[in-house]
Amino acid sequence: GDSVTQMEGPVTLSEEAFLTINCTYTATGYPSLFWYVQYPGEGLQLLLKATKADDKGSNKGFEATYRKETTSFHLEKGSVQVSDSAVYFCALGPLNTNAGKSTFGDGTTLTVKP
Amino acid sequence: GAGVSQSPSNKVTEKGKDVELRCDPISGHTALYWYRQSLGQGLEFLIYFQGNSAPDKSGLPSDRFSAERTGGSVSTLTIQRTQQEDSAVYLCASSGGQSPNEQYFGPGTRLTVT
Repeated sequence: GDSVTQMEGPVTLSEEAFLTINCTYTATGYPSLFWYVQYPGEGLQLLLKATKADDKGSNKGFEATYRKETTSFHLEKGSVQVSDSAVYFCALGPLNTNAGKSTFGDGTTLTVKP
Repeated sequence: GAGVSQSPSNKVTEKGKDVELRCDPISGHTALYWYRQSLGQGLEFLIYFQGNSAPDKSGLPSDRFSAERTGGSVSTLTIQRTQQEDSAVYLCASSGGQSPNEQYFGPGTRLTVT
């Protein structure tokens, strides 16, 4: 079945450091890939997505590229801020035109220190 | 409504009692999902509704768990004869419109079984 493996945390960085959170997946067919973020005390929200191979999703300075050859969707940000402290979840889901369940990784907790 | 709402926000119950958790999706969203998030874990899929029918209920962990959706809107997740291992945050999400694979999450119901 489908599965997502993401980098174990917690990750602690200083402000303005470069961030990478690794995510790899196993899936049948051609899923869409997502990163969701959960800020302290808030609900889960979509950060970015990519719907096909070589697509790059981007939002709020974060980027991730859908790599079919390595089955990966690593999250990157060039310069993190204290406000980026949160739990990040990688997920795979259905095609862009379809509804259906998503499969989530276990989450990576990021703490950014000033 | 503006977002997905869930009630109650917190529920403490005694082992063996039944509980009902409610989800009110974003108006117009045809798909509705229930997930479970245990401490330090990722999201575990429970069930997915399209309209009032459930094409995928593969994640329900036992026959003590059931869910229904009426009028294509509100959904109720019922757990009968609760056990301590049922303690978790229960998350509801909905999707629809032009990007039906993008899920919008509610704040969750934290269930504690004592």
